[in-house]
Amino acid sequence: QVHLLESGGGVVQPGRSLRLSCAASGFNFNIYALYWVRQAPGKGLEWVAVISYDGDNKYYAGSVKGRFSISRDNSKNTLYLQMNSLRAEDTAVYYCARGLSGGYYTPFDYWGQGSLVTVS
Amino acid sequence: EIVLTQSPGTLSLSLGERATLSCRASHSVSSSYLAWYQQKPGQAPRLLIYGASSRATGIPDRFSGSGSGTDFTLTISRLEPEDFAVYYCQQYGSSYTFGQGTKLEIK
Repeated sequence: QVHLLESGGGVVQPGRSLRLSCAASGFNFNIYALYWVRQAPGKGLEWVAVISYDGDNKYYAGSVKGRFSISRDNSKNTLYLQMNSLRAEDTAVYYCARGLSGGYYTPFDYWGQGSLVTVS
Repeated sequence: EIVLTQSPGTLSLSLGERATLSCRASHSVSSSYLAWYQQKPGQAPRLLIYGASSRATGIPDRFSGSGSGTDFTLTISRLEPEDFAVYYCQQYGSSYTFGQGTKLEIK
């Protein structure tokens, strides 16, 4: 079965960096676009970034553009989110997610359990 | 950016009742690229409905979605105890945005 497991969260000071990982299993990792979505404490969901199946195309929410970088290693079935210049407002649970289909115009059918990032 | 507004913010209903949740978009959602998710405390969101009206795998048929353009609805025909949660709509036709959520609570 499909499984996504995030890691790398923690407490970090403002202005510092952190890298999240998402290890995937149970599906053909190479053919799916993958996503990061975050949820601030007690708040709603916010899409953060998407990367194409081959890593060639990447898109970001305006709130993180220029500070965050999404990448993937298809040989390791792992998705990453490099977060630089962190701010207090980046505090959230970060989820990795898979699209229902391989393209971009797709909802997110599998989610990890989330990794908490606290900027303080 | 397409802004999604969900109503009501909180819905209080009893077991067995029918729930109707609304999602209104600031601009037309192309090709009905509209999804609904359920989220329980401490858990990741769960995909319920996509393409405005298609149920995701394993979702009971008491959940149904409808609508097009700018107005969409999630209906739960007969509330079960496990249905009390927060529900989010999402559009995925023009970047990706979520509504602010509707909390469905037991009356």
